[in-house]
Amino acid sequence: NAGVMQNPRHLVRRRGQEARLRCSPMKGHSHVYWYRQLPEEGLKFMVYLQKENIIDESGMPKERFSAEFPKEGPSILRIQQVVRGDSAAYFCASSPLGQGDQTNYGYTFGSGTRLTVV
Amino acid sequence: AQKVTQAQTEISVVEKEDVTLDCVYETRDTTYYLFWYKQPPSGELVFLIRRNSFDEQNEISGRYSWNFQKSTSSFNFTITASQVVDSAVYFCALSTPNFGNEKLTFGTGTRLTIIP
Repeated sequence: NAGVMQNPRHLVRRRGQEARLRCSPMKGHSHVYWYRQLPEEGLKFMVYLQKENIIDESGMPKERFSAEFPKEGPSILRIQQVVRGDSAAYFCASSPLGQGDQTNYGYTFGSGTRLTVV
Repeated sequence: AQKVTQAQTEISVVEKEDVTLDCVYETRDTTYYLFWYKQPPSGELVFLIRRNSFDEQNEISGRYSWNFQKSTSSFNFTITASQVVDSAVYFCALSTPNFGNEKLTFGTGTRLTIIP
């Protein structure tokens, strides 16, 4: 049972280019969360999606950032016209529907995509 | 609003010493979950524990133990007989599930260095 798959692991973009980060959730998981970790900082929530729906985007920057989780395929975090300040590690996590207080906790993080803007 | 404070930015101890990492949280919700994650130098996040707000029993897992005290809003993590492999950044986190939304609020992390 593969874990949460994020690709690429490392991404280098020049200022002004677009960055596309992909996240394939664990099999059976219908909820996806994106987090950003700036250098030497903790993770900050960006967006929570279910299939074809953005549920909570309270942590997303107002401009240049967008996310989607289509019916088929991975979730995509898109950053347009990247700037140096976008350099960070971006983590995706997935969970099954309605975990409640289950003993087998299913909230699983991917290994992250490290974005470097040069 | 939720907040997690890890006041210790960096800690260094000599191998085999015990070390406690502090975590203080803020939330107005009565139902919440607390977590600890380990981030080794390779960068991935390793899940260590999840504890719900109604279970104040301390937990022990091998050399790891956790002390949850609602009276002081703290969820501290102790490593006994530390080893070099414990060197990592440790994050405490909080979630207050809301209609299935389990987003996490993380602290800023504590970088633990175990000196051989």
